[in-house]
Amino acid sequence: AQTVTQSQPEMSVQEAETVTLSCTYDTSENNYYLFWYKQPPSRQMILVIRQEAYKQQNATENRFSVNFQKAAKSFSLKISDSQLGDTAMYFCALRGSGYSTLTFGKGTMLLVSP
Amino acid sequence: DTAVSQTPKYLVTQMGNDKSIKCEQNLGHDTMYWYKQDSKKFLKIMFSYNNKELIINETVPNRFSPKSPDKAHLNLHINSLELGDSAVYFCASSPEPRLGETQYFGPGTRLLVL
Repeated sequence: AQTVTQSQPEMSVQEAETVTLSCTYDTSENNYYLFWYKQPPSRQMILVIRQEAYKQQNATENRFSVNFQKAAKSFSLKISDSQLGDTAMYFCALRGSGYSTLTFGKGTMLLVSP
Repeated sequence: DTAVSQTPKYLVTQMGNDKSIKCEQNLGHDTMYWYKQDSKKFLKIMFSYNNKELIINETVPNRFSPKSPDKAHLNLHINSLELGDSAVYFCASSPEPRLGETQYFGPGTRLLVL
């Protein structure tokens, strides 16, 4: 069975600052994929960033980057230069290989204040 | 262009009624999913279909019956609605595994059972 743990229910950051959201996971598979999804108040699930477990290089997407530590089974999300529009619930998710589905963490509510 | 669409966006109904939620994707994906997000924002997989065939059923009560008339559509029918069915239901789709693993979500359907 796969599990995903997000230990920070809520985080706050001021505009323009940097914040890191934590995620740890467990899986018995060797080939898997990790994701961060964002859910703003509009409720839409938006993909922020993805990482293939077989790639050592950390994924980056503009202001968003991850710190993927495979041995420690850790997958944290760093948001640089935080913007008000980053206010949302952030979900870490894990998907195995083949026809597998996403296992989500419980989410971290991020509030960006002026 | 809407990639994954769901109708309706909101659904308010009485206990005991039967209701359906429709999902369509225009991404050409082979695999579609239904997820349930409860009042605590926890997201959990319900069903997964690949090319109209059910491949994953996560111990969902048999009052829930997914139907896939073609690979672009996955509808969810719920019989004898109960208070505990109140949640947001998300449809998602992804390519077949060898082509990609990212799931794309619809806007969600908020179901309220009174």
